[in-house]
Amino acid sequence: SQTIHQWPATLVQPVGSPLSLECTVEGTSNPNLYWYRQAAGRGLQLLFYSVGIGQISSEVPQNLSASRPQDRQFILSSKKLLLSDSGFYLCAWSPPAGGHFLYGYTFGSGTRLTVV
Amino acid sequence: SQQGEEDPQALSIQEGENATMNCSYKTSINNLQWYRQNSGRGLVHLILIRSNEREKHSGRLRVTLDTSKKSSSLLITASRAADTASYFCAIQANDYKLSFGAGTTVTVRA
Repeated sequence: SQTIHQWPATLVQPVGSPLSLECTVEGTSNPNLYWYRQAAGRGLQLLFYSVGIGQISSEVPQNLSASRPQDRQFILSSKKLLLSDSGFYLCAWSPPAGGHFLYGYTFGSGTRLTVV
Repeated sequence: SQQGEEDPQALSIQEGENATMNCSYKTSINNLQWYRQNSGRGLVHLILIRSNEREKHSGRLRVTLDTSKKSSSLLITASRAADTASYFCAIQANDYKLSFGAGTTVTVRA
């Protein structure tokens, strides 16, 4: 069966520090991968999605970046965090080749990031 | 905006009662999905309903879709304390993006 792992669960970082959040998927090949951010009490905002290794689409211009160095690994990074980067970050995957139209997304357990 | 919008924002019901929440959207869609989020956790997929479907059931969940009114509803029957969570609708057009609303917070009182 497929599983998605996301870490760390919580993170407190000072303003201006770098960020690296990692997400890995097991049990499937060539998944579509997504990074979302959720502000407190709000819905989810799509940040990045990837349909293959090295293929990243950015939805919101900001100081975050994403990379997909391996088929089932998706990394969210920042060189210098801002206070406004605080939030709940969620990684998700969906099946490839049109599977995202047939099946729901599977989400990781999220990372609570607080920038201080 | 392309996202769905849920109504009401919050809902408090007695255990055993039914809970109904609605979602409206503005664009053409390929499908509409409902998710549940327990406090501080990730989202769990509940139901996906395609644009050519009108109703779908899964256990105690019933989802309807009216594409002419661009709206959907989620009904939870015979609610339980474990149904306490936030519920989100998400719309998917003919691309990779799944756009979420702000959610409905459901509290089931014992």
